[in-house]
Amino acid sequence: DQQVKQNSPSLSVQEGRISILNCDYTNSMFDYFLWYKKYPAEGPTFLISISSIKDKNEDGRFTVFLNKSAKHLSLHIVPSQPGDSAVYFCAASHAGSGYALNFGKGTSLLVTP
Amino acid sequence: DAGVIQSPRHEVTEMGQEVTLRCKPISGHNSLFWYRQTMMRGLELLIYFNNNVPIDDSGMPEDRFSAKMPNASFSTLKIQPSEPRDSAVYFCASSFGQGAEKLFFGSGTQLSVL
Repeated sequence: DQQVKQNSPSLSVQEGRISILNCDYTNSMFDYFLWYKKYPAEGPTFLISISSIKDKNEDGRFTVFLNKSAKHLSLHIVPSQPGDSAVYFCAASHAGSGYALNFGKGTSLLVTP
Repeated sequence: DAGVIQSPRHEVTEMGQEVTLRCKPISGHNSLFWYRQTMMRGLELLIYFNNNVPIDDSGMPEDRFSAKMPNASFSTLKIQPSEPRDSAVYFCASSFGQGAEKLFFGSGTQLSVL
């Protein structure tokens, strides 16, 4: 049962524009959310996170928004750069699971020049 | 730090053979996780250890899969006997503390079972 869902398998954006990646979750116990970025032939790397007590967290060009009532979060990348082309995984966890991460299936982002 | 080290990077084997995947976590990290990535299911947690003790193995597909962590610097994931449906990328990850707030992943082992 997929508790974290990324419904868009792929996204293409022009360089300099905003990329918006979406994620939905079903388990209301999740209280910590993360985004990971993955290049081919490499493991995922941590990008940004947000606690359920916040609704926004920003780190440079990357901002994560959390809407708890809708069980939805999104990652905004502004401005998008070709080096951002990768697969982005949304993940969620809660204390009751020992904070083991539940991942979505990923969204492949392509930023074109 | 060298990061999480996994071996081998690629493994091709025949159905029925035993497969052993290896992982060296980052020094000082006390939580270790094994994940499997497939197109159909994405990244699935198989098992995780805290202080070398298995905490949750509910993600292990079946009895053919087993994992051990004999010490803080080494873990194995074994599949015996292997089947074609086990073909996937297997990732090991480690973190500091009981949580998995920020996992550090290895580069993965691409397993192909023919």
